[in-house]
Amino acid sequence: EADIYQTPRYLVIGTGKKITLECSQTMGHDKMYWYQQDPGMELHLIHYSYGVNSTEKGDLSSESTVSRIRTEHFPLTLESARPSHTSQYLCASSPRGNTIYFGEGSWLTVV
Amino acid sequence: GENVEQHPSTLSVQEGDSAVIKCTYSDSASNYFPWYKQELGKRPQLIIDIRSNVGEKKDQRIAVTLNKTAKHFSLHITETQPEDSAVYFCAASDSGNTPLVFGKGTRLSVIA
Repeated sequence: EADIYQTPRYLVIGTGKKITLECSQTMGHDKMYWYQQDPGMELHLIHYSYGVNSTEKGDLSSESTVSRIRTEHFPLTLESARPSHTSQYLCASSPRGNTIYFGEGSWLTVV
Repeated sequence: GENVEQHPSTLSVQEGDSAVIKCTYSDSASNYFPWYKQELGKRPQLIIDIRSNVGEKKDQRIAVTLNKTAKHFSLHITETQPEDSAVYFCAASDSGNTPLVFGKGTRLSVIA
């Protein structure tokens, strides 16, 4: 079934650890995004990509990095997790228009 | 760049009443305006969208209106039901190379 898959869905890690959140979409969309969202609150764009080898930073200052080596894959990496990174991370994609489809999210807790 | 303001931030209505959420945008080049619904613990999902060549669009109990002159658009939900309780986000873009800009969300509670 065409969808956006995020792993892990839930993760608890210690401060200072490196973590990669995986995101894959099977719809062949060119555009992919990462948002950070506290429960029910504002959506903050942290990174986006409009194609392979193209990445841009969003509005929210972030200590994370992304890569886009394959169209379907857009991983997000935190080199050194901190408690302030505790949040939900939503991956999204869109076709050539701007309708965005979201994944189910990855809930990260840094202790 | 684009700025989207959304009001109110919270809204409570009685079941069966109507609910209206309003958004304003700043960039006259914006021409695509989607609305997303996010239920508790779930991902945001597109419920309706409108493009600038259309003034109003309806889908069963929900409708969106657009006033390009005033740069505002609204979501109307009629005959509200408890399952309409969620956070609703408006957004705007120029359908080009800039990402959607979201409003801060409206928490709608429908009281049975």
